[in-house]
Amino acid sequence: DAKTTQPPSMDCAEGRAANLPCNHSTISGNEYVYWYRQIHSQGPQYIIHGLKNNETNEMASLIITEDRKSSTLILPHATLRDTAVYYCIVVQYSSASKIIFGSGTRLSIRP
Amino acid sequence: DSGVTQTPKHLITATGQRVTLRCSPRSGDLSVYWYQQSLDQGLQFLIQYYNGEERAKGNILERFSAQQFPDLHSELNLSSLELGDSALYFCASSGPGRWGNSPLHFGNGTRLTVT
Repeated sequence: DAKTTQPPSMDCAEGRAANLPCNHSTISGNEYVYWYRQIHSQGPQYIIHGLKNNETNEMASLIITEDRKSSTLILPHATLRDTAVYYCIVVQYSSASKIIFGSGTRLSIRP
Repeated sequence: DSGVTQTPKHLITATGQRVTLRCSPRSGDLSVYWYQQSLDQGLQFLIQYYNGEERAKGNILERFSAQQFPDLHSELNLSSLELGDSALYFCASSGPGRWGNSPLHFGNGTRLTVT
């Protein structure tokens, strides 16, 4: 079973910041938080990941709470092309990884 | 382009048949993962290989098998196909770096239709 909880759907206006929450209250110390997205039946795309510090790259920012029990993915200026299903997953530091995806959040960007 | 190549892109076959899906990982990646995604469903983890060895198994049916070859490409074999096996099959690879700190990179999938 997935170890994360995400809202099933969200929407955001184009040009605004999209903030996608994820709860991972049972996360352990050696587990990373990863975000991926899947645009309509394409292969999932890696977005960002982190362990305990906040992270930023050209696509998004990841804010992880101090207790690591939740995180937020921020798309700073959402465009219509950001419409996708966003998956938050936790990945253990191990060579044998059942990397399990949950249901994700379906993000709709409105013009 | 993720660097992960899956062939064929589309496959149509009849019930009872056997098919082989192929995946070439990104250059340098040692781990390969297979996922199944049925229509409007989530990604179901099937199996993981690392450098030729099976390392983790998910809900993979006994009719399905996989292997990773010395050149690191992987094949997923599906036999005695049923209508319910119709799905997108994705392959992903990850690098040799520290396990949790290595993203998955997915191919564009093989769409299997069983008629």
